[in-house]
Amino acid sequence: GIQVEQSPPDLILQEGANSTLRCNFSDSVNNLQWFHQNPWGQLINLFYIPSGTKQNGRLSATTVATERYSLLYISSSQTTDSGVYFCAVEGNYGGSQGNLIFGKGTKLSVKP
Amino acid sequence: NAGVTQTPKFRVLKTGQSMTLLCAQDMNHEYMYWYRQDPGMGLRLIHYSVGEGTTAKGEVPDGYNVSRLKKQNFLLGLESAAPSQTSVYFCASKVSGEQYFGPGTRLTVT
Repeated sequence: GIQVEQSPPDLILQEGANSTLRCNFSDSVNNLQWFHQNPWGQLINLFYIPSGTKQNGRLSATTVATERYSLLYISSSQTTDSGVYFCAVEGNYGGSQGNLIFGKGTKLSVKP
Repeated sequence: NAGVTQTPKFRVLKTGQSMTLLCAQDMNHEYMYWYRQDPGMGLRLIHYSVGEGTTAKGEVPDGYNVSRLKKQNFLLGLESAAPSQTSVYFCASKVSGEQYFGPGTRLTVT
């Protein structure tokens, strides 16, 4: 099945700094989503981005499907950005079709 | 529009007990999913449903059963709970390719 690798596994930032999180996947995908899991465990949808670039406030994401990676950019980080960021992909064949395969996440800590 | 809701939020079971987790969505979505999340891990798919009356196995289905008798509800059952089933359980529904998650159920099996 599809493998999803996220890097870095851990990231510590000072408030106001910028960061880039990376997601590599091993095969072609139908869909890709980025989630933020906050310290209370809620999974919040950030982007649905199978290809191209999207922006939402201080966050933006780019997926280059042909090269099998996606990037999540966080600018001017705030303490409320802390938590775990997950990338998840939906394969386009076989057993993974229609189902999300999650990476292990990037744990972000933003210090005041 | 409450989105995806899960009942209960927390539960402690003893080994061998049974229970049912309820997921409900009010968005008329066809696809629904049950995942589990273990410490330091991403989510793994247990079972899913592509419509009322249909279910299928995911990556980690052993020890669980599901039912989708009504479109808006997806039930996850544990017939004989084991400590290895201690986890946080998330339900999701999907529309136009994007999945939306419920708040989770934290289950501890002692």
